[in-house]
Amino acid sequence: EAEVAQSPRYKITEKSQAVAFWCDPISGHATLYWYRQILGQGPELLVQFQDESVVDDSQLPKDRFSAERLKGVDSTLKIQPAELGDSAMYLCASRGLAQETQYFGPGTRLLVL
Amino acid sequence: DAKTTQPPSMDCAEGRAANLPCNHSTISGNEYVYWYRQIHSQGPQYIIHGLKNNETNEMASLIITEDRKSSTLILPHATLRDTAVYYCIVRVAGGGADGLTFGKGTHLIIQP
Repeated sequence: EAEVAQSPRYKITEKSQAVAFWCDPISGHATLYWYRQILGQGPELLVQFQDESVVDDSQLPKDRFSAERLKGVDSTLKIQPAELGDSAMYLCASRGLAQETQYFGPGTRLLVL
Repeated sequence: DAKTTQPPSMDCAEGRAANLPCNHSTISGNEYVYWYRQIHSQGPQYIIHGLKNNETNEMASLIITEDRKSSTLILPHATLRDTAVYYCIVRVAGGGADGLTFGKGTHLIIQP
């Protein structure tokens, strides 16, 4: 069964450093999402892509976060500089064009010290 | 998207049916009801979704009331591996900006 891949699975970084996460959606899925999940809460959408275009980035803290999907396939989410409050699970999901269901990857757990 | 209300936690005995309620009294006619679950430290897993009719798949059944203001997810024979946080989400069909709005969900604990 096809799955969303994410790497790394775990990342520890120091405050003010740059960090990047990678996501490879299910093959053929045009829509890709990045979510952030703080411990004890449900995931919150950061950004949504349709192919290489941003559909919704209204909740992305653009002063320090950036996301790209240059060829409309895999995607990178970057934080620079990282802050203590960025410690969370970062989840990627994808959806096929004619489908209604989003499928999630295993997530990247970030700890900022 | 309409807001949902779920109990924060529930217990169920192993082998019994787990019935998880969800209220979505402001749901619109074109909004689907989705259920996801999240086992500790993993990504959310899709379970089932429906619009008006009851739905069943290999994982669960979804019962939606006639007025669509509430629904129940049924796990027919719960196992220890079903212990997870279950999220009930409503969203408009049809693409566009359609990120899921998660609440805090119900933490279901299956007791041996």
